[in-house]
Amino acid sequence: DSGVTQTPKHLITATGQRVTLRCSPRSGDLSVYWYQQSLDQGLQFLIQYYNGEERAKGNILERFSAQQFPDLHSELNLSSLELGDSALYFCASSSRTGGIEKLFFGSGTQLSVL
Amino acid sequence: EDQVTQSPEALRLQEGESSSLNCSYTVSGLRGLFWYRQDPGKGPEFLFTLYSAGEEKEKERLKATLTKKESFLHITAPKPEDSATYLCAVQAIDYGGSQGNLIFGKGTKLSVKP
Repeated sequence: DSGVTQTPKHLITATGQRVTLRCSPRSGDLSVYWYQQSLDQGLQFLIQYYNGEERAKGNILERFSAQQFPDLHSELNLSSLELGDSALYFCASSSRTGGIEKLFFGSGTQLSVL
Repeated sequence: EDQVTQSPEALRLQEGESSSLNCSYTVSGLRGLFWYRQDPGKGPEFLFTLYSAGEEKEKERLKATLTKKESFLHITAPKPEDSATYLCAVQAIDYGGSQGNLIFGKGTKLSVKP
């Protein structure tokens, strides 16, 4: 168990809809990362938050947004969903030692857009 | 552009048959190279971090090595429970912006038959 909690585990929805994925980081970790994993693209970095502030952006679509709350949990909002958004979405939290960030991943949310 | 390439895509071994997985990378400046193990339907699980060429890390039947252009994950006398997808990732040096995010390869799917 990595200590990172993601809910829900599975989500089935229709095109055009909006969903929210939730993540609770490990106790004491201030950084939260969101990744998308699909069969053809592998793990792709979406966005990072650190102590409530956006820190870095990756390949995140404009239809997607995220935030980190004062209690450090994070939510990833996906709107106007398309079939191609079907993927595994992972949240990770990190601890930094000597300039190196080690990521600990949750078990993911499987999103199916029908 | 920072990039990580893993080979082979898939590897089938007999129990006890040792082999190596390759991870080639191009990055503007390497802060760290990471190996993760991912089981089906689960999040990546941290295995090793390597920081500089010549460094080696070991854990049970796994040994990771690093050169200036690639890393190898050596598996000695594998067992069926070693079957998983092994992911390699690099973390680039932060040149002012936060680049704590990891850039992942697409992974090597390892199957070990009894």
